[in-house]
Formats: sequence, structure tokens, C-alpha cells
Amino acid sequence: DTGVSQDPRHKITKRGQNVTFRCDPISEHNRLYWYRQTLGQGPEFLTYFQNEAQLEKSRLLSDRFSAERPKGSFSTLEIQRTEQGDSAMYLCASGAGDEQYFGPGTRLTVT
Amino acid sequence: AQKITQTQPGMFVQEKEAVTLDCTYDTSDQSYGLFWYKQPSSGEMIFLIYQGSYDEQNATEGRYSLNFQKARKSANLVISASQLGDSAMYFCAMSPTSYGKLTFGQGTILTVHP
Repeated sequence: DTGVSQDPRHKITKRGQNVTFRCDPISEHNRLYWYRQTLGQGPEFLTYFQNEAQLEKSRLLSDRFSAERPKGSFSTLEIQRTEQGDSAMYLCASGAGDEQYFGPGTRLTVT
Repeated sequence: AQKITQTQPGMFVQEKEAVTLDCTYDTSDQSYGLFWYKQPSSGEMIFLIYQGSYDEQNATEGRYSLNFQKARKSANLVISASQLGDSAMYFCAMSPTSYGKLTFGQGTILTVHP
């Protein structure tokens, strides 16, 4: 069991550029979640997949954000036309049973 | 809507002593799950303990126990025999079921003194 992995761990981009993050969940987990955490705050829910189906999206997920989980395994989160307000830690979690396990996160800095 | 309140921005404890981190919640759901996570300065979120709303016994995991008082809507985390490595941010969270999205509190920074 290698845990949840995320790539890249850090991303610096200029305002207006597109970025894509990847999450690989624990292999036997069918649930996958994306959260965003800004400094000094708790994580906020963005979206949730059960296998390949996206079952819930937060209103925080504007039309510049899109998430996919094409084969029910890894997931990608894309942010188009990044803004400075998108700077945050993006956390992925996978779940089985009663527990959710988080990856190390991708820290995005928009300059 | 669900809400988690952690009223202690920071807590201090002496090594080897016990400490309680407070968490209250608000929900209209009948079935829900309560979670505690630890976030060290490295940034990763470490799952500590889970309590289901219908569980009659308080959850325990090693040195962690969850003091669940359903009528008071509280889910306090008790850490026994604190260690220096326990210094971190601690988040209380809940979901409408055991598998739903998590709603987090603001967190409590715990500092363990030698």
C-alpha cells in the first residue's frame, strides 16, 4: 500500500496559464475527493468521484475548474486561466469504508 | 448544511500529559461521521480517528480517543501521554454519512512542551 500520491508537489505558474494536477488514489479505493486549503484554514470540498462518476461538485468549482477520473483510477484537476486567488494547497483523498486518506497535496502559487 | 466549530486556536501541553481538543458540530442529518485529522508542518493530512453517529462506544485508536456526546453535539479529541511529535494542527471534520464529503473546522494548533 503506497498511499495516495499527487503530482506535482509544487507548481508555480503565471496568471492566465492553465495547470493540471494528478492524483493516484489507494488502489482498492473507489471514492476520490478533491479539496482546496488556503493558509490558516481547513480544507474545503471541491468535488467527489465514485469510480469514474463525478457525483458532487462544490459551487467553489467555477467553470474554470474541471476534474476527471476517466477509468475510475487516477484523477486530474485542471484549472484554466489561473488567477492569483487560485493560489492554495490542492488536496486529494481516497476513501473506503468509513475513512478518507489524504495525499501530500499540490501547492499552487499563481504569480 | 453542516458546520464544525473548533474554539481553541492554540493549545499547549506538557510532554507526557493528556490534552483535550474541543469540537462541536451542527447538522440536521440523522446519520453522520465525525473525523479528526493531524496536519504537521509538512502539510500532509493524517487520519487519526473516526466516530459514527450511531456508534454507542467512543472510538479509540492507540493514544487517541474521541469523546462523543451526541446530545451536546460535541466530538472532542483526547490525546493521552503527549509526545513532542504530536505538535501539529488538528482538524475536526464531519460528513453526512461515513463516505460523504468532509466539512472541516478551523483547526487547533497543538504545541507540546518538553
